[in-house]
Amino acid sequence: QVQLQESGPGLVQPSGTLSVTCAVSGGSITSNNLWSWVRQPPGKGLEWIGEIYHSGDGDYNTSLKSRVTISVNKSTNQFSLRLISVTAADTAVYYCVRLEHIRGNYIMNTWGQGVMVTVSS
Amino acid sequence: QSVLTQPPSVSAAPGQKVTISCSGSSSNIGGNYVSWYQQFPGTAPRLLIYENNKRPSGIPDRFSGSKSGTSATLGITGLQTGDEADYYCGTSESGLTSGRVFGGGTRLTVL
Repeated sequence: QVQLQESGPGLVQPSGTLSVTCAVSGGSITSNNLWSWVRQPPGKGLEWIGEIYHSGDGDYNTSLKSRVTISVNKSTNQFSLRLISVTAADTAVYYCVRLEHIRGNYIMNTWGQGVMVTVSS
Repeated sequence: QSVLTQPPSVSAAPGQKVTISCSGSSSNIGGNYVSWYQQFPGTAPRLLIYENNKRPSGIPDRFSGSKSGTSATLGITGLQTGDEADYYCGTSESGLTSGRVFGGGTRLTVL
């Protein structure tokens, strides 16, 4: 059973860079699945950030595309999120998510517990 | 402003049935499968329904999903106090702004 665990600094300075990593256990990141990041600001709804395949192919939310990079590390079975030029609006719980490939479709069926990141000086 | 529209809140008594709507457009719900997620305070979302009406193993059949045109509906029967949570719909967006999109979420209160 695949499990996901996020890690990262709880506090980031405004205009700085937010970096969060997701450790994948119980399965390989090179499987035929997509690996995604979703965030949730305090008291608000879910926002898809982007996703990546183990080959490096991926897609990003157009509203964040200029600031976001998602990458895969096959040797450590992890994938990461990097968000630059952060502001208070980027304060949120960041979830890593597996989209399992089932009969030609990708299903968001595995979520990490989430990591809270606050942007503040 | 979320791409998909859900009512902010719904409520019903224990044992009753409730439905939660999710409205979109031809570029998202109209052309793609819909999923539903349940989220309790302080926890990660959990997949309830995928491919419009399928339940992952472990999800009781009190939960059901349907889709018609550019709208989808989550139904919950035999409401229990433990069903009090936030519910989100989600799907894919096709076209120039491709990606995944969610509704704004609906808070279910079991009175």
